[in-house]
Amino acid sequence: DAGITQSPRYKITETGRQVTLMCHQTWSHSYMFWYRQDLGHGLRLIYYSAAADITDKGEVPDGYVVSRSKTENFPLTLESATRSQTSVYFCASSTGLVGTYNEQFFGPGTRLTVL
Amino acid sequence: AQSVTQPDIHITVSEGASLELRCNYSYGATPYLFWYVQSPGQGLQLLLKYFSGDTLVQGIKGFEAEFKRSQSSFNLRKPSVHWSDAAEYFCAVDLLSSGSARQLTFGSGTQLTVLP
Repeated sequence: DAGITQSPRYKITETGRQVTLMCHQTWSHSYMFWYRQDLGHGLRLIYYSAAADITDKGEVPDGYVVSRSKTENFPLTLESATRSQTSVYFCASSTGLVGTYNEQFFGPGTRLTVL
Repeated sequence: AQSVTQPDIHITVSEGASLELRCNYSYGATPYLFWYVQSPGQGLQLLLKYFSGDTLVQGIKGFEAEFKRSQSSFNLRKPSVHWSDAAEYFCAVDLLSSGSARQLTFGSGTQLTVLP
């Protein structure tokens, strides 16, 4: 299907385990983003990527690792999950065209629970 | 530090009533401003945006928002709410980060309940 998808949609894991959340977009957008959504905080940017093999930190990057070997995929890895990482994670993408505003399009989210 | 404030955590209105959701930002210059809606179990959908020009902007689903520079506000309005408008609404600002990487800063959200 066209658009931006996230998998899994729901995940329960235990403290200390490694977890990878997947994000896939079919628009060939240059930019991709990972946000976490917590009550009282809205969405906060974790990492973003301007293109394949180019990533940069956002507001709350600690405890997370990203990679982007292909334009269409932007996985987010929690190397050793902690309870504080229980959250809803949203992936987004945008075109990155120069000279125009690039709206971000959001995926449906992944609800992660760390026990 | 720059911030976005949505002072109302939860608002309840009756179907057919008017709606206003408040948003204030703290920033020296005028940023790009947005309202997003999140329906239960869904991602965020852009309702409307303000970059410059006319301070009253129209969006999808019958929503509008007014930018008031003197109040650093960007309030969302709808004249007559429908039951399907029940959702969470987020105000966001783009602080004009360098390059093409648009970094959005979100408010904490306002949950809208619509009574029949």
